[in-house]
Amino acid sequence: DVKVTQSSRYLVKRTGEKVFLECVQDMDHENMFWYRQDPGLGLRLIYFSYDVKMKEKGDIPEGYSVSREKKERFSLILESASTNQTSMYLCASYPGQGAWETQYFGPGTRLLVL
Amino acid sequence: AQSVAQPEDQVNVAEGNPLTVKCTYSVSGNPYLFWYVQYPNRGLQFLLKYITGDNLVKGSYGFEAEFNKSQTSFHLKKPSALVSDSALYFCAVRGNYGGSQGNLIFGKGTKLSVKP
Repeated sequence: DVKVTQSSRYLVKRTGEKVFLECVQDMDHENMFWYRQDPGLGLRLIYFSYDVKMKEKGDIPEGYSVSREKKERFSLILESASTNQTSMYLCASYPGQGAWETQYFGPGTRLLVL
Repeated sequence: AQSVAQPEDQVNVAEGNPLTVKCTYSVSGNPYLFWYVQYPNRGLQFLLKYITGDNLVKGSYGFEAEFNKSQTSFHLKKPSALVSDSALYFCAVRGNYGGSQGNLIFGKGTKLSVKP
């Protein structure tokens, strides 16, 4: 079974702090994604990566950056956390061989910025 | 632009009754459609997908979905609901973001509540 893990289930941070969210997948998938989930808005794509050291902006990249130094790990960085970044963050991975393939999600990190 | 709509924020069903969670989509080209379920404070779990072929797709936990090209719909169904089916359900369509055919475009989600 594909396994996508996220470093923290819950995080509480202060405004202005630098925050790192880590995601690891164990199935050698090419593509990895970061989404944020907010009530009534569904999931929105922040960034994705289709190869090591490659990254592309999604729909809402402002205030975020990412890092992919190794194929299995994709990190989301909040350079200076703000209260409007309080949300549920979901990481996902995808083999990348064809559009019919399933995307697999991690358990999510619920971030509270005070 | 590709998009997904889930017209109902919440669906209430009595246990044992059939359930339907609605989804309509807009895509250019062939649609690749997915349903995911999310239990409280959990990530998304894959239920089923439509790629091509038979319009009735069977998935996990007794769920199925009917693809209707003329109505651009992909409704999720189950013949007999369980209380444990209560969760948040997301419909999604495969995007084509930046040349990488991997991102999913999600609907806003439908909360399913099954009462005993």
